Amino acid sequence: GQNIDQPTEMTATEGAIVQINCTYQTSGFNGLFWYQQHAGEAPTFLSYNVLDGLEEKGRFSSFLSRSKGYSYLLLKELQMKDSASYLCAVIDSNYQLIWGAGTKLIIKP
Amino acid sequence: EAQVTQNPRYLITVTGKKLTVTCSQNMNHEYMSWYRQDPGLGLRQIYYSMNVEVTDKGDVPEGYKVSRKEKRNFPLILESPSPNQTSLYFCASSFEAIYNEQFFGPGTRLTVL
Repeated sequence: GQNIDQPTEMTATEGAIVQINCTYQTSGFNGLFWYQQHAGEAPTFLSYNVLDGLEEKGRFSSFLSRSKGYSYLLLKELQMKDSASYLCAVIDSNYQLIWGAGTKLIIKP
Repeated sequence: EAQVTQNPRYLITVTGKKLTVTCSQNMNHEYMSWYRQDPGLGLRQIYYSMNVEVTDKGDVPEGYKVSRKEKRNFPLILESPSPNQTSLYFCASSFEAIYNEQFFGPGTRLTVL
């Protein structure tokens, strides 16, 4: 079966750095997304990785290793508004998007 | 403003009473999709559409119908709702296909009694 694993919940301190991991076992791979979802709101796009390596976008970076079936989202200089769920999603060989259950990130002052 | 709209935002209904949740996008996107989101589970795709008059089943299509008569609209129809369809529903659209960033509607919280 296809599976995407993310930690259910993480806690971090305002101003710090946090890394949210995502491991996947899917039938093939055609790209990986990260989305942010604030409580009660719609998901919004953060990043898309299809090649190995690190993609940096302001305070957020996303890393991919296809050989390890692994990605992480790195959030720097954490702000209270970063409290949200972070969703990892993988495009499989059938071009279907498989979603993880999401990681709820709690930021404390 | 570029956006995806859904209506209604909240709905409480009873088992067996047909309902439609509307979805509309103003970005001229080809690809549209419906998801349901339940606690502890990831987003699960119900149906998707690559373009007008083209629709396909996602992971959990049972109990749902869709249509795509116009590019901008993609309504979700529950012919005979049941309590296990109580969920948060999102419509999403993207330019061309699954590779591209999806834009999500605000969500419809449905309760079936």
